[in-house]
Amino acid sequence: AQSVTQLGSHVSVSEGALVLLRCNYSSSVPPYLFWYVQYPNQGLQLLLKYTSAATLVKGINGFEAEFKKSETSFHLTKPSAHMSDAAEYFCAVDSGTPLVFGKGTRLSVIA
Amino acid sequence: DARVTQTPRHKVTEMGQEVTMRCQPILGHNTVFWYRQTMMQGLELLAYFRNRAPLDDSGMPKDRFSAEMPDATLATLKIQPSEPRDSAVYFCASGLETGLNYGYTFGSGTRLTVV
Repeated sequence: AQSVTQLGSHVSVSEGALVLLRCNYSSSVPPYLFWYVQYPNQGLQLLLKYTSAATLVKGINGFEAEFKKSETSFHLTKPSAHMSDAAEYFCAVDSGTPLVFGKGTRLSVIA
Repeated sequence: DARVTQTPRHKVTEMGQEVTMRCQPILGHNTVFWYRQTMMQGLELLAYFRNRAPLDDSGMPKDRFSAEMPDATLATLKIQPSEPRDSAVYFCASGLETGLNYGYTFGSGTRLTVV
């Protein structure tokens, strides 16, 4: 069965600093991987997805993630954090419906 | 932009009352999911449908929860009787399953409080 582990339930960065949110997956078949973002009092919004094309995936709002099969990782990065990036981020894996979500990482951005 | 519509956005009810949550998936999407989100458990899959047929409802407490899709434009999640531990945000999501997963679109959720 597939699973996702997000390292760190809470990450705090300064405005302008690098954002790195970690995700490791477990899957017996080549996975599809996703990052979703949830702003307060809203549903989840798709940030980016990996579907076995390019290993470096670019998403919305300047985020990107790199699929590393050898490390079974799909970490999310953004070069420079903005106050508006403060939200909860979920990594998800799909090796066959439905998606399995990680526990989420809350990102705080300090001015 | 196409969106998944959930009603109501907020619901406060007394323990023992029936609660019905509704979801209008995106037109053309053939798969609908119900998730529950709590601080303690995170996102939990309750049930999902493909082409209106229930595929998996193993995440739901069967004695009090039921999920249906009366037609392609409406999915419902019902709790009867409701209990305080059901307090959570319930999300509906829809997607198009064609062998390639392009991700799901989530609604804004129904925040349920059972007192």
